[in-house]
Amino acid sequence: GAGVSQSPSNKVTEKGKDVELRCDPISGHTALYWYRQRLGQGLEFLIYFQGNSAPDKSGLPSDRFSAERTGESVSTLTIQRTQQEDSAVYLCASSFRDTESLHFGNGTRLTVT
Amino acid sequence: GQNIDQPTEMTATEGAIVQINCTYQTSGFNGLFWYQQHAGEAPTFLSYNVLDGLEEKGRFSSFLSRSKGYSYLLLKELQMKDSASYLCAVRTGGGNKLTFGTGTQLKVEL
Repeated sequence: GAGVSQSPSNKVTEKGKDVELRCDPISGHTALYWYRQRLGQGLEFLIYFQGNSAPDKSGLPSDRFSAERTGESVSTLTIQRTQQEDSAVYLCASSFRDTESLHFGNGTRLTVT
Repeated sequence: GQNIDQPTEMTATEGAIVQINCTYQTSGFNGLFWYQQHAGEAPTFLSYNVLDGLEEKGRFSSFLSRSKGYSYLLLKELQMKDSASYLCAVRTGGGNKLTFGTGTQLKVEL
C-alpha cells in the first residue's frame, strides 16, 4: 500500500482480555517500530524490528507485551491480560533502512475498560 | 537517562513566525528529528539535523547545536493548517530508536 496501515483503528476491550494489534509497513521497508502514545505524553518506544529479528525490545513495559514480524512484512503486537494503564494509541512506523526517517501509521487507539 | 524538553503549548498569529525550542540530555546522540502531528493523525516527518547549523525546507527550518543540546524549529508565514503538535525526537544509537519529547501544541489564530 501507499502508507503504513494499522488495524483495528479503535479497540475497546475489558480488563484481563488479550488484544492483538496489526501493522502493515510500506512495501520494501525493512525496519519496523512500535511506539505507544498515552494521552498528553510523548511517544514511547516499545520495540524495533530489522527484517524479522528484533534487535531492541527494551521498551516493552512487561512480559504481557510481545511482538512478532513474519516475512519482513506484517507485524503484530500482542498485549495479554490487558490493564487500564495499557490504554493508549499504539503507533507503528517503518523505514526503508534503519537510518532513514520514520513513516508512521495512524495508530490503534486501545481503551481498556 | 534520556530527557527531552519542549514547551507544552504555544500560540501565534497567522502570517507570523514562531520558534519552537527543544533541549535534550541524552546518552548518545545520532541525530535530531522534528515531526508534525495533527490531532488524531499519524506524525509526519518535517526535518532532520545531525550536524550543527540550520536546515531550511520551505517555510520550515530547523537548527541544531550539539554542544548546547539545543534545537529549534522555525515556522514562517504561519497558516491555520500549521495548528498541530510538533514533536522533537533524538536518535541515540543505532537504528531508528527515537526518544520523543512530549510535543508542543501550536495554535495559530487569526
